[in-house]
Amino acid sequence: GQQLNQSPQSMFIQEGEDVSMNCTSSSIFNTWLWYKQEPGEGPVLLIALYKAGELTSNGRLTAQFGITRKDSFLNISASIPSDVGIYFCAGPHNAGNMLTFGGGTRLMVKP
Amino acid sequence: NAGVTQTPKFQVLKTGQSMTLQCAQDMNHEYMSWYRQDPGMGLRLIHYSVGAGITDQGEVPNGYNVSRSTTEDFPLRLLSAAPSQTSVYFCASSYQITSYNEQFFGPGTRLTVL
Repeated sequence: GQQLNQSPQSMFIQEGEDVSMNCTSSSIFNTWLWYKQEPGEGPVLLIALYKAGELTSNGRLTAQFGITRKDSFLNISASIPSDVGIYFCAGPHNAGNMLTFGGGTRLMVKP
Repeated sequence: NAGVTQTPKFQVLKTGQSMTLQCAQDMNHEYMSWYRQDPGMGLRLIHYSVGAGITDQGEVPNGYNVSRSTTEDFPLRLLSAAPSQTSVYFCASSYQITSYNEQFFGPGTRLTVL
């Protein structure tokens, strides 16, 4: 099936630093979703992207829908300790619209 | 609204035992789904339902059964648990299968099969 590859797999940064992560696929996606999962919880949607080239912000988070439609990026500016968690990208299968998830980027922030 | 609720939160089974993971939502959502989460693999779809009485297989359905007798409930059954089913299980719901920006996940059930 379709696969989403996320990188990096994990990041350990200092509070206040900016963070960049990305998600790539060998297939075209028409929607890109970014989720955050905190320890012991289910994923929560952060940003949804619906158009190639689209750039959308949610507070300190900014996500972009790559123009090739095969990648997406998530940036977090001025990280804080509560940004800790696993960040997942996801997108719907072309057939059936069911979501495929990437393997996640685990973010750790040192105060 | 309680949102999406899952029980139990934790469960330990022996190989060959059966059990049912419960999922309920009070948002009148038509679409419900079950995922399993394993380290480094993201979430993989097990089964899903687009409405009461309708279920279908996802990416990794083997070893699991589901039913949808009401809009609110979508239980996941393990008929004969295997160690490979050790995972964290998440239930999710939304109005429609394409309501991605309104999909809610439950808190998860952590299952260990010995």
